Amino acid sequence: QTVVTQEPSFSVSPGGTVTLTCGLSSGSVSPSHNPSWYQQTPGQAPRTLIYNTNTRSSGVPDRFSGSILGNKAALTITGAQADDESDYYCVLYMGSALYVFGPGTKVTVL
Amino acid sequence: QVQLEQSGAEVKKPGASVMLSCKASGYTFISYYIHWVRQAPGQGLEWVGIINPSGATTTYAQRLQGRVTMTRDASTSTVYMELSSLRSDDTAIYYCARSPLRHFDHWGRGTLVTVSS
Repeated sequence: QTVVTQEPSFSVSPGGTVTLTCGLSSGSVSPSHNPSWYQQTPGQAPRTLIYNTNTRSSGVPDRFSGSILGNKAALTITGAQADDESDYYCVLYMGSALYVFGPGTKVTVL
Repeated sequence: QVQLEQSGAEVKKPGASVMLSCKASGYTFISYYIHWVRQAPGQGLEWVGIINPSGATTTYAQRLQGRVTMTRDASTSTVYMELSSLRSDDTAIYYCARSPLRHFDHWGRGTLVTVSS
């Protein structure tokens, strides 16, 4: 069974840049996986950041961007702010109406 | 505006079933798929399944196949998720989320399901 991978954690300084990745245990992530990214703070429902690899959801600041880097999907935060401290999850479409979440990356801003 | 109103918290005993609801408003109900996603305490998000409110077709996560059933009532713009043979590891917050095209754009607030003897 294919597993989605994400870094467990990242630390970034205020104003800094961090790139989170979303890969597959077997194979490469491509736009056909429709990678999307979600931000979640404790006690809150997830918030949609990026869909279809690189399209920002309505109201999402342009410091968040999505891409394919090598064989993984990537979420880059440029100019990190304190309220970016959250858990970030990617989701991949695996075909046949099946979806898989990554395990999430905890981002600390300090 | 788009809203997904979820039913209230549930406490169930192991082996029982639970049915959760997600009432949609602010858009054309049959035009968007609805997903269910769950999150166990302190854990990540897990995709549970998807329903097409138009044709009521469903797809479920393999590990929940046979225990989960999603249905909809188009007359009330409501989607239901029933989970049977509950176990302690089904304890989680269950979210419904609207899906325009292979992603989730609006989320409900979630329903806490606690399975405990």
